[in-house]
Amino acid sequence: GAGVSQSPRYKVAKRGQDVALRCDPISGHVSLFWYQQALGQGPEFLTYFQNEAQLDKSGLPSDRFFAERPEGSVSTLKIQRTQQEDSAVYLCASSARDNLGSDTQYFGPGTRLTVL
Amino acid sequence: AQSVTQLGSHVSVSEGALVLLRCNYSSSVPPYLFWYVQYPNQGLQLLLKYTSAATLVKGINGFEAEFKKSETSFHLTKPSAHMSDAAEYFCAVSEAGTASKLTFGTGTRLQVTL
Repeated sequence: GAGVSQSPRYKVAKRGQDVALRCDPISGHVSLFWYQQALGQGPEFLTYFQNEAQLDKSGLPSDRFFAERPEGSVSTLKIQRTQQEDSAVYLCASSARDNLGSDTQYFGPGTRLTVL
Repeated sequence: AQSVTQLGSHVSVSEGALVLLRCNYSSSVPPYLFWYVQYPNQGLQLLLKYTSAATLVKGINGFEAEFKKSETSFHLTKPSAHMSDAAEYFCAVSEAGTASKLTFGTGTRLQVTL
């Protein structure tokens, strides 16, 4: 596809359930980022991959959050034992170096997670 | 550490009027600066970015922004607002150079009235 895609677009989970959110980056993009956007706020960084390597996971709010990108393409963000405070939109972005030597992050439409 | 402050969570302008959305940043290293727009139930779309070349950056849909190091600002402007400009606008900063996480402001909702 031409852009970053995410699935599902909407997810409703009961408190305590595990969820898995998928991100398909733009083909050939080496870098992949996950962000969390709470209602009325700006996105906040969760984690970053370069190919299959998770280089930064400093933004993950707890050990219930886990992300992977095993083959350096598709990524999955998993949240175990969901809590109400996990309700947010989860955004994925991929990036590549442009001809000016800088990276631009292209965002997917997001997954809106609601925990009841 | 980096941070972004967007003054004004809501801005309302008349169609045809000047749009000015304010962004101030803090960064201990040379920054890259970005403006993204978000329409309801959609992801973020890049409007423009500053990457240490020209300080006046032109973006899509007639928007532009000027990097002012002395004022640590990167305000977004558009000479004449259109109804289709109504959306949420986010300013973001990252470290210059390699792929780096974005630090966003809290956003400014732009309303355009007839």
